[in-house]
Amino acid sequence: QKEVEQNSGPLSVPEGAIASLNCTYSDRGSQSFFWYRQYSGKSPELIMSIYSNGDKEDGRFTAQLNKASQYVSLLIRDSQPSDSATYLCAVNQAGTALIFGKGTTLSVSS
Amino acid sequence: ETGVTQSPTHLIKTRGQQVTLRCSSQSGHNTVSWYQQALGQGPQFIFQYYREEENGRGNFPPRFSGLQFPNYSSELNVNALELDDSALYLCASSPGGTTGNEQFFGPGTRLTVL
Repeated sequence: QKEVEQNSGPLSVPEGAIASLNCTYSDRGSQSFFWYRQYSGKSPELIMSIYSNGDKEDGRFTAQLNKASQYVSLLIRDSQPSDSATYLCAVNQAGTALIFGKGTTLSVSS
Repeated sequence: ETGVTQSPTHLIKTRGQQVTLRCSSQSGHNTVSWYQQALGQGPQFIFQYYREEENGRGNFPPRFSGLQFPNYSSELNVNALELDDSALYLCASSPGGTTGNEQFFGPGTRLTVL
């Protein structure tokens, strides 16, 4: 059974702090890794994709991938109240299904 | 560029009925995937269509079926609705053709089964 695990949270950080979201996956054959943001009552929005080991930065977001440890993380710098949402980690092995974690709820307080 | 669209937005059905949900893929995308998201859970993969053929299926019973049309739009049909089918149904499109393509979600259809 392919699994993706995330802490459900809530993760609470003050405005301006760094939020760190973590994800582990069970299938070593996984090739593609994604972070989605989902606001309450809305659909998931793709914010980062990462395919090789290391860091990938896009604005205030940094995705980190360690395939040996089967670990993906998302850092959000200078967190804003508008970042308050559920963050879903997704893993893709064979180009078809995305396997999602249950998501981590982030709350940024002003 | 038009994003992924889905219809209807909300739907209420009675147990045992049948439902059809519709999805139009993003311009230039030939692959459509369907997901079911129950409250408080991550989306669960139902199936994927690539160039009008089913290209992978998750752990859902045969009463969940689908179609993809030549314009790459897609339908999800669910027969003999059960209470547990109440969920947000998400359609995602991707360029297809290569492994690991990013999938972009539509706004979803909220299905309530009474």
